[in-house]
Amino acid sequence: AQSVTQPDIHITVSEGASLELRCNYSYGATPYLFWYVQSPGQGLQLLLKYFSGDTLVQGIKGFEAEFKRSQSSFNLRKPSVHWSDAAEYFCAVGGRAGTALIFGKGTTLSVSS
Amino acid sequence: EPEVTQTPSHQVTQMGQEVILRCVPISNHLYFYWYRQILGQKVEFLVSFYNNEISEKSEIFDDQFSVERPDGSNFTLKIRSTKLEDSAMYFCASSDMARRAYNSPLHFGNGTRLTVT
Repeated sequence: AQSVTQPDIHITVSEGASLELRCNYSYGATPYLFWYVQSPGQGLQLLLKYFSGDTLVQGIKGFEAEFKRSQSSFNLRKPSVHWSDAAEYFCAVGGRAGTALIFGKGTTLSVSS
Repeated sequence: EPEVTQTPSHQVTQMGQEVILRCVPISNHLYFYWYRQILGQKVEFLVSFYNNEISEKSEIFDDQFSVERPDGSNFTLKIRSTKLEDSAMYFCASSDMARRAYNSPLHFGNGTRLTVT
């Protein structure tokens, strides 16, 4: 079955600390992987995507993610978190355009000062 | 940067009423989607639309739901007879099929919050 698991429902980090959000997936075909961020009252903004090639991908706002096929993981990282990063983060897996994106349940990030 | 726009931002309707949620996808995009997010739950796929027909739909997208591209710019989701459990945030998205198929991430609108009373 196709699925995305984000094991952490809520994470709190101090401003300036590093961040890692976990994502594991199960997908029958070649996975295309995404991280989206949702601020309160806003839509889903694409942070980064992985289709092929270099397994470490860079995104917007200083985020990066590493695809590890052997672990079926696509964890999101940021070396130094800013208060404005507080939001909900969704990992998603999909295939070719037009097919459904499967989302994880999301991880809520809180940033403490 | 081009955006997907959705109207209204919030719609309240009574159970049994029909609602139409409207979306204007990014102008050169060719694939259109509807997703929904029930409060506190994950984002769920409803339907994708390409070349004036449904490309894929989920189990959620039953006969109460329909989609339409009435003109060259709008993409609508209609719920014929709303139920309480239809209360959710509905997101429209579009992707650019002009690029190679795998290199076309979804661009989402800000959503329409539907409240069924």
